[in-house]
Amino acid sequence: AQSVTQPDIHITVSEGASLELRCNYSYGATPYLFWYVQSPGQGLQLLLKYFSGDTLVQGIKGFEAEFKRSQSSFNLRKPSVHWSDAAEYFCAVVPGGFQKLVFGTGTRLLVSP
Amino acid sequence: EPEVTQTPSHQVTQMGQEVILRCVPISNHLYFYWYRQILGQKVEFLVSFYNNEISEKSEIFDDQFSVERPDGSNFTLKIRSTKLEDSAMYFCASSPDRQETQYFGPGTRLLVL
Repeated sequence: AQSVTQPDIHITVSEGASLELRCNYSYGATPYLFWYVQSPGQGLQLLLKYFSGDTLVQGIKGFEAEFKRSQSSFNLRKPSVHWSDAAEYFCAVVPGGFQKLVFGTGTRLLVSP
Repeated sequence: EPEVTQTPSHQVTQMGQEVILRCVPISNHLYFYWYRQILGQKVEFLVSFYNNEISEKSEIFDDQFSVERPDGSNFTLKIRSTKLEDSAMYFCASSPDRQETQYFGPGTRLLVL
């Protein structure tokens, strides 16, 4: 079935440590790919997106993501996490031919001192 | 920076009542969307709207839901007869064109009692 998978429900990272959040998708053609962040009680803020071209994309707040076609993955990374990065992170895709965003189940990031 | 706004931020209603959730999309955007997020679950697509008609909808978007753009700025979601399971956060989004980045509002938290 077509889906977006975020295998980690929760991740705890020490402040200053590096971060990688995983995302896999199962669509025949490469969809458009996005990462959104949701802070408690807030809406969804776009971190970065991939439509085509360079497979390493830079986003806001020091985040980057790498598209790997062979692995159907679009993992989010940050070299040094700050306490303010604690939030829920959603990977999302727009499947080819559609307009809707299909979201993963989200990964809740906790940052320890 | 332009942003999507939503009113009200919170709404409490009795089961069976009608509710209207309002959104003001970004002014030069052409595509409008509603999503919902039941507490603890992932964000789900409801409907997309373009050129004054529904362009895509999910199986969730049944006859009790309707959308309209009553004037040049507002975009509304009406739930005709609310059920307990309609309790969720409802997000409005807009995009400048089809399959472009969708920008989300802060959401309306709906509680049906």
